[in-house]
Amino acid sequence: DAKTTQPPSMDCAEGRAANLPCNHSTISGNEYVYWYRQIHSQGPQYIIHGLKNNETNEMASLIITEDRKSSTLILPHATLRDTAVYYCIVMNTGFQKLVFGTGTRLLVSP
Amino acid sequence: NAGVMQNPRHLVRRRGQEARLRCSPMKGHSHVYWYRQLPEEGLKFMVYLQKENIIDESGMPKERFSAEFPKEGPSILRIQQVVRGDSAAYFCASSPLGADNSPLHFGNGTRLTVT
Repeated sequence: DAKTTQPPSMDCAEGRAANLPCNHSTISGNEYVYWYRQIHSQGPQYIIHGLKNNETNEMASLIITEDRKSSTLILPHATLRDTAVYYCIVMNTGFQKLVFGTGTRLLVSP
Repeated sequence: NAGVMQNPRHLVRRRGQEARLRCSPMKGHSHVYWYRQLPEEGLKFMVYLQKENIIDESGMPKERFSAEFPKEGPSILRIQQVVRGDSAAYFCASSPLGADNSPLHFGNGTRLTVT
């Protein structure tokens, strides 16, 4: 599975959009981009995933560049409860042996 | 629709004792995964099971650790003769049968402390 690179930390003001980048320059054609987050003392929570088209759900939007070498997770209106570590994971289909890196620690402040 | 249930939430064991961690997957899910998170570290895959079968245990330590997912009942992660280095949060996740890219649903973990 391809390796991902994320900034270690980011800050965001409450109510503003949080844009979390992820580089995955070695991604192969059949690998998906997944985003999970882990709020302190809880288990990881699935957010969104995509292959090459942009995706949106009730939690977030995922923008994948045309060459698929990077992506951005967008939380359109961040709240204090969005403070968490966000993990970008690239993997093949098949059973989900997720490889968690160090992620981005997002701090949403009032 | 209950999520993935793990118990106990916290478990304290003395060195040399056994730890048994239980995981009930979401209703209708027959794939179970166990992950371990050491203090201040990321999650590491341990084992993937289907009902009555271990599919991939490449992340399991070679000794003292075992996992099962019987036909009836929860999945069990068993750690024999625990040592201080086993202190960690252990997370279970589940996914539906035959869904190749379905996301995993995680429980809130069991925090094991070895004294």
